[in-house]
Amino acid sequence: QVQLQESGPGLVKPSETLSLTCAVSGYSISSGCYWGWIRQPPGKGLEWIGSIYHSGTTYYNPSLKSRVTISVDTSKNQFSLRLRSVTAADTAVYYCARVTLTGDAFDIWGQGTMVTVSS
Amino acid sequence: DIQLTQSPSFLSASVGDRVTITCRASQGINNYLAWYQQKPGKAPKLLIYAASTLQSGVPSRFSGSGSGTEFTLTITSLQPEDFATYYCQQLNTYPYTFGQGTKLEIK
Repeated sequence: QVQLQESGPGLVKPSETLSLTCAVSGYSISSGCYWGWIRQPPGKGLEWIGSIYHSGTTYYNPSLKSRVTISVDTSKNQFSLRLRSVTAADTAVYYCARVTLTGDAFDIWGQGTMVTVSS
Repeated sequence: DIQLTQSPSFLSASVGDRVTITCRASQGINNYLAWYQQKPGKAPKLLIYAASTLQSGVPSRFSGSGSGTEFTLTITSLQPEDFATYYCQQLNTYPYTFGQGTKLEIK
């Protein structure tokens, strides 16, 4: 079955760059879906960060656009998130997820990874 | 950005009850509306997409309806495992946005 798994450091220092990878198994990342990153600060709601297509086409949340880069590596069947100049406000659980082929939902989610920004 | 407003934000109900959660969009979203259930420490789980289509494997006591700017999630005959937080999301226009969530608690 399709599985997504986030990986990356759980602790990042303020002003540094948060880097996460989402490994996709059971499905080719080139099969026509968009893929996305969503985050959730402790005790708060969900925020869409951005999405990417296997061709490299990206869409970002304007609130984060100046600091975010999402990339895809089709040879490794994975996609990645980089968030620059982090602050404590970027502390959150970060999820990767698959968008349905019809573009109307995130149907498969990773388990999420907690990233804390602290010195 | 399209704002999604869920009501209520908190809901207290009993096993066996029927509950309805509303999601209002600040502009039309062409039924690109999804509903998710999230339990503590877990990733959101897709329940409903395209406003009213039940995701495979989701119990039929969950249903979605609505169009334009007003949408509802209904759960008939609440089960103990349904007590969770529910989010709506619009995927019609970037940036995708979520409602603030509705926490469903046991009365």
